[in-house]
Amino acid sequence: GAGVSQTPSNKVTEKGKYVELRCDPISGHTALYWYRQSLGQGPEFLIYFQGTGAADDSGLPNDRFFAVRPEGSVSTLKIQRTERGDSAVYLCASSPLGSYNEQFFGPGTRLTVL
Amino acid sequence: QKEVEQNSGPLSVPEGAIASLNCTYSDRVSQSFFWYRQYSGKSPELIMSIYSNGDKEDGRFTAQLNKASQYVSLLIRDSQPSDSATYLCAVKSNFGNEKLTFGTGTRLTIIP
Repeated sequence: GAGVSQTPSNKVTEKGKYVELRCDPISGHTALYWYRQSLGQGPEFLIYFQGTGAADDSGLPNDRFFAVRPEGSVSTLKIQRTERGDSAVYLCASSPLGSYNEQFFGPGTRLTVL
Repeated sequence: QKEVEQNSGPLSVPEGAIASLNCTYSDRVSQSFFWYRQYSGKSPELIMSIYSNGDKEDGRFTAQLNKASQYVSLLIRDSQPSDSATYLCAVKSNFGNEKLTFGTGTRLTIIP
């Protein structure tokens, strides 16, 4: 079946602008995660949704970052007043419900803030 | 101390040999352990998961877990050039804390 999809694949924006990144999880997966990966580093956790609610947003770096999942499927990560330090690959993952959830990643969105 | 530590490499292994990748973690209550493979410019791909002490084999891959030593490893037998990638170790804490904590990855190169 289809894997996790993310759009856009690449996003170039200017400092101070607002961006939205979209994630469509694997059908039937109730859990959805956002991570951010900088060059030479492992993915860094941002936020986790179980259904429609954010169960853990402890990884969001500051209040410029916000994410929603209004219908328990597609999620949007929103970044306000982008800064050059926000440049990274933003990865979305989903997993089925269970205590040993395996997380499956989408292709990522490469965000470049000029 | 980093929560999940890996040797960044690069690790070079001749084709056909066994590649051994290692990972240590600091949180004693960690319950689930994963190995992801990441090709350059691509996203992480799950290749192994392990939850209990001992070995778990899947094809050419074997994951080994030792919770007492807080150590998890990945062995790749009969290494192929297509195995050349960065391997990420990821750890999930106890039930209720669903995030994965990743190491920085080990870059593996298989030499033909």
